[in-house]
Amino acid sequence: SAVISQKPSRDICQRGTSLTIQCQVDSQVTMMFWYRQQPGQSLTLIATANQGSEATYESGFVIDKFPISRPNLTFSTLTVSNMSPEDSSIYLCSVPGPITDTQYFGPGTRLTVL
Amino acid sequence: RKEVEQDPGPFNVPEGATVAFNCTYSNSASQSFFWYRQDCRKEPKLLMSVYSSGNEDGRFTAQLNRASQYISLLIRDSKLSDSATYLCVVNPNSGNTPLVFGKGTRLSVIA
Repeated sequence: SAVISQKPSRDICQRGTSLTIQCQVDSQVTMMFWYRQQPGQSLTLIATANQGSEATYESGFVIDKFPISRPNLTFSTLTVSNMSPEDSSIYLCSVPGPITDTQYFGPGTRLTVL
Repeated sequence: RKEVEQDPGPFNVPEGATVAFNCTYSNSASQSFFWYRQDCRKEPKLLMSVYSSGNEDGRFTAQLNRASQYISLLIRDSKLSDSATYLCVVNPNSGNTPLVFGKGTRLSVIA
C-alpha cells in the first residue's frame, strides 16, 4: 500500500491568514483527492488534484479559497486562503488504493483558526 | 436526502457482544461499497469491501442489499480494540473517483 505523509500535522492560525498543506506519496499516482472533515461531520470532498491540469472542485468549493497544486505524480498541496474559524477542520489527502475503487488516506492536517 | 445515511450511535456494548450497523444510500447507480474504520484523531482506514454476495473477514461480516440500497456490518465477539467510528462509504462510479462518506457510527466496547 502507498505511504502518504502530510505536513503540517496540525496548526493553529489567525483568521485572515493562509496555510498550505503538503501531501507526499511514496509512489506515482494519477489522482489525488483532498477532503475536509469538520468536527463531528463526515468527510467531504474538496477537489480532485490532476497532474498537469487544473484541479476539479466540488460544489461549494472554489479555487480562490482552496488553490491546489499538483506539480508531479507524487506530490500535491492544498492552500486554505483567508482563513476564518469556519475553516477549522481536518484536511486529508487520499490516493487510489490497490483494491479497486478504494482509497488510502494521509494522516490528516488538523487546522484550528482563531 | 443525504447520499449516505448512518445511525451515529454511540453504540455501547460489552466485550463479547455482537453488534450490527446499518447504512442506506440514495444513488441506486452506485457501484462499490465499503466500510472504513476511523479511530479518534486518525485517518479513515479501509476495513472491508461489501459485495452483494456478502463478505466475511474473521469476526466481521458485511452485506449489501442493492434492491433496498442498504449496507450492513456485523461484528461478532466484540473486542475493546473494536472501539472506533465505522464509516459507510460508497463509490457512485467505477474506477478511481471520489468516495461519498456517511457520518459514521461510533462504537464503544466496554470491559
